[in-house]
Amino acid sequence: DADVTQTPRNRITKTGKRIMLECSQTKGHDRMYWYRQDPGLGLQLIYYSFDVKDINKGEISDGYSVSRQAQAKFSLSLESAIPNQTALYFCATSDPKEGGNTGELFFGEGSRLTVL
Amino acid sequence: QQQVKQSPQSLIVQKGGISIINCAYENTAFDYFPWYQQFPGKGPALLIAIRPDVSEKKEGRFTISFNKSAKQFSLHIMDSQPGDSATYFCAATIGNFNKFYFGSGTKLNVKP
Repeated sequence: DADVTQTPRNRITKTGKRIMLECSQTKGHDRMYWYRQDPGLGLQLIYYSFDVKDINKGEISDGYSVSRQAQAKFSLSLESAIPNQTALYFCATSDPKEGGNTGELFFGEGSRLTVL
Repeated sequence: QQQVKQSPQSLIVQKGGISIINCAYENTAFDYFPWYQQFPGKGPALLIAIRPDVSEKKEGRFTISFNKSAKQFSLHIMDSQPGDSATYFCAATIGNFNKFYFGSGTKLNVKP
């Protein structure tokens, strides 16, 4: 099983619908992140969380919300989806002290969201 | 405003050739510069990283060259192979690794 699991992997929805993308991890890391990937724009940080009680906005948080249900679970919600939220979404985890103090990010395989 | 600027957007190299991807940054507080490799249908994975106290880091066929005064760093892939075909992202962060700022990505295609 993957260390960082995202569900669903693919989702097509309509404008105005509420969508939740879920992420769970078995790495035991405290830090979790949601990124959005668009062609030509790279990876943009939406939200990040350093523990269950800590939630922080990233560069592009407008139109998104998150919930950290447990150390292992971090969900991303689109309350009212719009077409320009069509993108590939990645969850990632890290532990700054792991891997020789590199802060390495461990990514899931992505959730492709299409908003019609 | 993108904190890390990456070029080129796409790159085609013949097998055995050298692939070079460049990145530039403005924030002099950045002190850790990783490169991530992403294969189609997969999430990015750490490839190699450098701190600004050295000018070069080599791991196998992959080398990071770092120019602190120019605020630029680059990834060199020697003897490029078709299996290296992927999207490469440079990134930068500050010592506590709170937030990583990614470049826009380079799609590398190594032709057999």
